Amino acid sequence: EPEVTQTPSHQVTQMGQEVILRCVPISNHLYFYWYRQILGQKVEFLVSFYNNEISEKSEIFDDQFSVERPDGSNFTLKIRSTKLEDSAMYFCASRSGLLNTEAFFGQGTRLTVV
Amino acid sequence: GQSLEQPSEVTAVEGAIVQINCTYQTSGFYGLSWYQQHDGGAPTFLSYNALDGLEETGRFSSFLSRSDSYGYLLLQELQMKDSASYFCAVRENTGGFKTIFGAGTRLFVKA
Repeated sequence: EPEVTQTPSHQVTQMGQEVILRCVPISNHLYFYWYRQILGQKVEFLVSFYNNEISEKSEIFDDQFSVERPDGSNFTLKIRSTKLEDSAMYFCASRSGLLNTEAFFGQGTRLTVV
Repeated sequence: GQSLEQPSEVTAVEGAIVQINCTYQTSGFYGLSWYQQHDGGAPTFLSYNALDGLEETGRFSSFLSRSDSYGYLLLQELQMKDSASYFCAVRENTGGFKTIFGAGTRLFVKA
């Protein structure tokens, strides 16, 4: 069964450093998303991406965040200068072009900022 | 803005039936989804309702009333492995049809 793949599964970084979280969405999917989940809290929407551009971003997704689809398969989330409060699980999700289909989530990257 | 309300915690015994309610407010409602998440895991899709009524998938059913901005997830024949967090989530018709999650209901299934 096709799946969304995220790497790395766990990343530890120092405050102020840049991190890039990688995702390989399901191959024929057209809509891509990043979500984050702080430990014990709900899953929060960060950004949606369609047709090689951002469709919508939340208030969390400030200038420190950026997304890219550098080639036909990868979808990346970059945090330019990490803060302690960026520590969370980051989930990538993708959905096909059919509107009544669910989003499939990757297993997540646990980001720990120290 | 959006808001979703669901109970924070529910406890039930193995073999029982449990219903998790969800009310929502959103400006661009497209459908209501339910996701299951075990500790340390990813959200896993359970069901989706775009129209009013009941959708059944095995032991799980989901209901939607668009006029009441209300839905529920019904879990039957509870098993210990059903202990997890359950999120109702609104799919919006803006922003790439993003999904906005509620705070989640923690389900504890006891023997």
